[in-house]
Amino acid sequence: QVQLQQWGAGLLKPSETLSLTCAVYGGSFSGYYWSWIRQPPGKGLEWIGEINHSGSTNYNPSLKSRVTISVDTSKNQFSLKLSSVTAADTAVYYCAREGPWYCSGGSCSTDAFDIWGQGTMVTVSS
Amino acid sequence: EIVLTQSPGTLSLSPGERATLSCRASQSVSSSYLAWYQQKPGQAPRLLIYGTSSRATGIPDRFSGSGSGTDFTLTISRLEPEDFAVYYCQQYGSSQYTFGQGTKLEIK
Repeated sequence: QVQLQQWGAGLLKPSETLSLTCAVYGGSFSGYYWSWIRQPPGKGLEWIGEINHSGSTNYNPSLKSRVTISVDTSKNQFSLKLSSVTAADTAVYYCAREGPWYCSGGSCSTDAFDIWGQGTMVTVSS
Repeated sequence: EIVLTQSPGTLSLSPGERATLSCRASQSVSSSYLAWYQQKPGQAPRLLIYGTSSRATGIPDRFSGSGSGTDFTLTISRLEPEDFAVYYCQQYGSSQYTFGQGTKLEIK
């Protein structure tokens, strides 16, 4: 059974860099894309970006200039860095697996997030 | 960017009733790449439906998804007490994901 465990600093000052890591246990790492998603207090979900085992990334255009997602395949881990944080970046941050794979019309793909980490509350305050 | 608008914002129903939640996209969703999630307070979202109408592992068959193009629906055929939560739709297209703002399903 696949599990995601995430960790990182929970309190930052404005202008600092947010850094979180997510470890994947119990399943294939190379067969999936892996994402970061955040949720401000009392608000909805925002996709931040994704990475696969070979390091191929896609980012939300609204955050692209400040986001770096990286991967360490030797440890089955992926990480998020978000630079120059402000109070607007205060949120619960989740890591998630993109899945499940399914096939339709002769092609196979994923379009959802089937496994989630436990979430990390990150507060930005001076 | 495709914007997803969910309605209603809040839905008040009683256990045993049928719930119909709507998700409308600002443009057509690629290949029906539309998913639904349930979120309870203090928990991560749980995947209910992917590919518009496929139930995720372990999801009861009272949950069903339908739709195409720009209009999608999540139906809960007979509400159980544990179904009262916030529900989000989400789409995938052009290597980007976006979520709706959520519908809160509350006990009447």
